[in-house]
Amino acid sequence: QQQVKQSPQSLIVQKGGIPIINCAYENTAFDYFPWYQQFPGKGPALLIAIRPDVSEKKEGRFTISFNKSAKQFSLHIMDSQPGDSATYFCAASKAYNTDKLIFGTGTRLQVFP
Amino acid sequence: DTAVSQTPKYLVTQMGNDKSIKCEQNLGHDTMYWYKQDSKKFLKIMFSYNNKELIINETVPNRFSPKSPDKAHLNLHINSLELGDSAVYFCASSPGTRAQEYFGPGTRLTVT
Repeated sequence: QQQVKQSPQSLIVQKGGIPIINCAYENTAFDYFPWYQQFPGKGPALLIAIRPDVSEKKEGRFTISFNKSAKQFSLHIMDSQPGDSATYFCAASKAYNTDKLIFGTGTRLQVFP
Repeated sequence: DTAVSQTPKYLVTQMGNDKSIKCEQNLGHDTMYWYKQDSKKFLKIMFSYNNKELIINETVPNRFSPKSPDKAHLNLHINSLELGDSAVYFCASSPGTRAQEYFGPGTRLTVT
């Protein structure tokens, strides 16, 4: 059972474009929503995270938009660069101390010069 | 300084063998994890330890056994390896559950 659905599977943009990656969740008990970035041959690394008490969070060129009523959240990358080419994972976890992160299926982003 | 390290980086072995992957973190974190990433890049948690105690044990075959000798180490032992065990295994740590997880570089396991 896939509790966090991520789309698209892959995304190709030109430098300067604004790729948008979307995630949807089912469980309303989720209250922590991080995004991880993974380069080939490396482990995932936390990019940005949001909790449902805010609708948007920005860190540099990366923005999370959160829609609690629709149970959706998305990652926007402003002024994308070739160095942003990576696989991006959304994730979610519940408000329990022993809960685990549930990852989306990943989006492979390619940014061409 | 490497925060979360894993050895080996690559592991090629035959079906039926037993192998171990070692993980060490020097971040002083209380919680450590093992994840499996399959060929489609799907990332799924296998185990989580908090202060050497098992707190998450997903439905993985009991051929997989984690061992945490101390807070800084979480090793993964796999018995009777099968073709379907081929994947990249990531160790991770965090200062607590639901906090930022720091991933190691991964161990690519290939079972032939």
